Amino acid sequence: DQQVKQNSPSLSVQEGRISILNCDYTNSMFDYFLWYKKYPAEGPTFLISISSIKDKNEDGRFTVFLNKSAKHLSLHIVPSQPGDSAVYFCAASFQGGSEKLVFGKGMKLTVNP
Amino acid sequence: DVKVTQSSRYLVKRTGEKVFLECVQDMDHENMFWYRQDPGLGLRLIYFSYDVKMKEKGDIPEGYSVSREKKERFSLILESASTNQTSMYLCASSLGGRVSGQPQHFGDGTRLSIL
Repeated sequence: DQQVKQNSPSLSVQEGRISILNCDYTNSMFDYFLWYKKYPAEGPTFLISISSIKDKNEDGRFTVFLNKSAKHLSLHIVPSQPGDSAVYFCAASFQGGSEKLVFGKGMKLTVNP
Repeated sequence: DVKVTQSSRYLVKRTGEKVFLECVQDMDHENMFWYRQDPGLGLRLIYFSYDVKMKEKGDIPEGYSVSREKKERFSLILESASTNQTSMYLCASSLGGRVSGQPQHFGDGTRLSIL
């Protein structure tokens, strides 16, 4: 049973436009959500996170939005750059001090020059 | 910056061999993790350690064991390697202290092929 879902396997956008990556979850016991970026032949790197008590968190070109009622979050990248081309993973952690993360299957973003 | 180092980037082993994957972190983190990444399946947790000599099974522990004798080092052991264990293996660490939402810091992975 997949608790964190990234339903679109890939997305292609033009440089300078907005990239929107979506993630859905099923477990209301998640209290933090994180986004990771992964280049080929490298480990994932942490991008940005959001607490379940917030609905938005922004860091430079990256903004994460959380809609708890819909159990949905999205990562917005504005403006998109070719260097953003990578696989993006959505992850979630449980309430109560759990340090394990549950990952989605990932989404490949391609930003075309 | 946190540095998580995996001993090998590429490894080729034979079916039935005992395989050791090593991981070292340099930031005194309490937690360490082993994942495998397969196409279309994302990252799946194999084992987790929250302290020296402490371990907890993840989602797919069958065929694997782990060892954490020192805080900075976490080893993944394939007791008798099989071809379905061909995969990318990723080690990660996080600070600890039972605080949820902590980012995990990953090594660059070991691509293991079992022939």
